Amino acid sequence: DGGITQSPKYLFRKEGQNVTLSCEQNLNHDAMYWYRQDPGQGLRLIYYSQIVNDFQKGDIAEGYSVSREKKESFPLTVTSAQKNPTAFYLCASSPWTYGSYNEQFFGPGTRLTVL
Amino acid sequence: AQKITQTQPGMFVQEKEAVTLDCTYDTSDQSYGLFWYKQPSSGEMIFLIYQGSYDEQNATEGRYSLNFQKARKSANLVISASQLGDSAMYFCAMRTNNDMRFGAGTRLTVKP
Repeated sequence: DGGITQSPKYLFRKEGQNVTLSCEQNLNHDAMYWYRQDPGQGLRLIYYSQIVNDFQKGDIAEGYSVSREKKESFPLTVTSAQKNPTAFYLCASSPWTYGSYNEQFFGPGTRLTVL
Repeated sequence: AQKITQTQPGMFVQEKEAVTLDCTYDTSDQSYGLFWYKQPSSGEMIFLIYQGSYDEQNATEGRYSLNFQKARKSANLVISASQLGDSAMYFCAMRTNNDMRFGAGTRLTVKP
């Protein structure tokens, strides 16, 4: 089955620790995205990548880092510099065609809680 | 800067009736795409419908239709014949070549 997987579903972190959220897709999509969602709010873009070995900052990139070494994978690291990391994190992917706006397919999300 | 506004934090609708969820957007780009997503309590985002800025016809997908009024910069979602399973958060989103924005969402509750 084609889709996007995120792991873990729930993650607990102590203050001061870095943590990495996994995102894998087997849809052969070029573009991948990371979003943050806080309670009662919409999604905010953290980082996105249109091709392997390239990524761009979104609106709230501070305190986060990403890598795109493989087309299928786009892990997100929440660093200790992120002041308020407790949130729901969603990964998405889409085909990439300049000038064409394909829908994004989302993973099930990871709920991160800082203790 | 691009902006999406959903002015209805919550909406109620009786089962089998139609409901309209409002969405307005602001962009200086001539080319853009508009999307609606459904988010059930499980958290996953489910794509519902898409409208391109140059599309002259309103998009429809089953019970979902998008009322696109370009001059007014609105892209309202109409759900016909509401079902109990339609209860969820609904997000409007706009995509340009370098940006993707989501609204704050509307929580729809379908009453039996």
